[in-house]
Amino acid sequence: SAVISQKPSRDICQRGTSLTIQCQVDSQVTMMFWYRQQPGQSLTLIATANQGSEATYESGFVIDKFPISRPNLTFSTLTVSNMSPEDSSIYLCSVVTGLAGVAETQYFGPGTRLLVL
Amino acid sequence: SQQGEEDPQALSIQEGENATMNCSYKTSINNLQWYRQNSGRGLVHLILIRSNEREKHSGRLRVTLDTSKKSSSLLITASRAADTASYFCATALSGYSTLTFGKGTMLLVSP
Repeated sequence: SAVISQKPSRDICQRGTSLTIQCQVDSQVTMMFWYRQQPGQSLTLIATANQGSEATYESGFVIDKFPISRPNLTFSTLTVSNMSPEDSSIYLCSVVTGLAGVAETQYFGPGTRLLVL
Repeated sequence: SQQGEEDPQALSIQEGENATMNCSYKTSINNLQWYRQNSGRGLVHLILIRSNEREKHSGRLRVTLDTSKKSSSLLITASRAADTASYFCATALSGYSTLTFGKGTMLLVSP
């Protein structure tokens, strides 16, 4: 298993600004994932963050809007850039501790609740 | 889209009753997982069932998988108020590390 923490837990931001969300894992993991959950909706995968390589973004998400860093095997950041009210969501990071290429159990952080005014 | 569809969208029951949630998906999968989310917090993994398995139990949870119908069900027996949460199914395709989440079922268990 893995224990994941996220900072900040919540924030209220003005449109046009950027927010960086941190995700810390208590063990080394190969793959980390960033999800967005809009109000009352399911989770949508933003990108997969692998250490030592560029993040892989899902359709509809671009690096300029959601730059991701993965400097080591226990840490990642997601930046939400030039925010608009439509970016108001819960942002969750997760990790999988199995082999790459096998979608086994994912462990989630507590989420960052973002409100953009 | 591979996204699963949960049914019902919302379910309200009394403590002690059983709760059944269903999930349907569209393409062949490697495994299917169920997660619980309390009040917009992080998700907690409940159970994973592989494509070659038909039923799995964990405490008060029972999951079934019918690959011919591309559907799964989650049964929570003897429900408790603490089971109040949103429940999501997630599907995993062979060769992929990512999961695709369904829309979720919101379960309310009243004392």
